[in-house]
Amino acid sequence: DAMVIQNPRYQVTQFGKPVTLSCSQTLNHNVMYWYQQKSSQAPKLLFHYYDKDFNNEADTPDNFQSRRPNTSFCFLDIRSPGLGDAAMYLCATSREWGGGTDTQYFGPGTRLTVL
Amino acid sequence: AQTVTQSQPEMSVQEAETVTLSCTYDTSESDYYLFWYKQPPSRQMILVIRQEAYKQQNATENRFSVNFQKAAKSFSLKISDSQLGDAAMYFCAYRSSSSGDKLTFGTGTRLAVRP
Repeated sequence: DAMVIQNPRYQVTQFGKPVTLSCSQTLNHNVMYWYQQKSSQAPKLLFHYYDKDFNNEADTPDNFQSRRPNTSFCFLDIRSPGLGDAAMYLCATSREWGGGTDTQYFGPGTRLTVL
Repeated sequence: AQTVTQSQPEMSVQEAETVTLSCTYDTSESDYYLFWYKQPPSRQMILVIRQEAYKQQNATENRFSVNFQKAAKSFSLKISDSQLGDAAMYFCAYRSSSSGDKLTFGTGTRLAVRP
């Protein structure tokens, strides 16, 4: 009964080689988020979708893009990964945006290694 | 901008004992929400407990309770009767009522449980 699924769990890519991380949800939530979490640091929000409405955080590098083709799926594209992009990438969902104590549900994350 | 501070990078507790994790935050807003999330090793982050700032009563979920001191901007998590399965990274998070569902996380406290 997995609710937020991320594939793959581990991804290795080469410096500069585009990579796509995948997230899917069975909760039918309107909002999907992508976070970057580096070792021993807090998760950092990259962007979120409310339905098809894309919202980028001001300090998210242009190297990071996202697509949400339908309610269930959301992709994180890293166009030219650098060594500094090695991190855990977390996908999360919530029912609404600004829904009081609405909970965010997280996936298990994809650990990205850049060689 | 809101900030969340967890001053204890690591904590350790004996099984069956009680431990308290600290969290302070800085905000100029009066309406907000506070959360504790648990991130076990290699597993997804899950919500432990949440608190609405307008509620004076401290939230409780089974063995987990909080001590919410609004004036002091403090939000500590108490884990009673600690179990081996409580070993994880714990993140304190803040969400303003005016910022949608955007969470601001602290840097986390890694809790070890000694058998």
